[in-house]
Amino acid sequence: TQLLEQSPQFLSIQEGENLTVYCNSSSVFSSLQWYRQEPGEGPVLLVTVVTGGEVKKLKRLTFQFGDARKDSSLHITAAQPGDTGLYLCAGAPDTGNQFYFGTGTSLTVIP
Amino acid sequence: DAGITQSPRHKVTETGTPVTLRCHQTENHRYMYWYRQDPGHGLRLIHYSYGVKDTDKGEVSDGYSVSRSKTEDFLLTLESATSSQTSVYFCAISETVYGYTFGSGTRLTVV
Repeated sequence: TQLLEQSPQFLSIQEGENLTVYCNSSSVFSSLQWYRQEPGEGPVLLVTVVTGGEVKKLKRLTFQFGDARKDSSLHITAAQPGDTGLYLCAGAPDTGNQFYFGTGTSLTVIP
Repeated sequence: DAGITQSPRHKVTETGTPVTLRCHQTENHRYMYWYRQDPGHGLRLIHYSYGVKDTDKGEVSDGYSVSRSKTEDFLLTLESATSSQTSVYFCAISETVYGYTFGSGTRLTVV
């Protein structure tokens, strides 16, 4: 059982479409991070959210941390082929000191 | 701008042989981590270090050992490689809990 569940697992969309991916848990997290990983490379940190209800924007990407700090979402506006990759959420729950990664959402944007 | 490098990038080894993977950082970060990434499991922590000679086990540490004799180097050793250890191995560094920097990974195949 994964502490962080991501959905959908796979997503294939046309260039220009909007999409949202989700990261959910039954545990409370002090912070959550989002990474993007391209084939053959390591994950690259996109953003860290630390406050319940926080919204952060990175160009066409909008990240939200749930009010209860148990979930997060990533919304991409007008997706481009360069957005293709594996999106991972990660964080440490308030209880314990382990850091966990979700299994990821694999996004393909078709030109 | 590689502040973290992994070597080798690819390795094929035979069952039962010892294998050592190297992670080198130039960022002087305190924390270093070894993860493995497998389909369906995401990234799982093998071992981590919080300083020179200070290491601890992660979620999937059986069959692996680590050493950190210098701040910049973190070695992962598979004492006697098995086919179940075929995976992509990532090293990561951090100074705080607010984000990891990953290396480009080592693809290990045990035949």
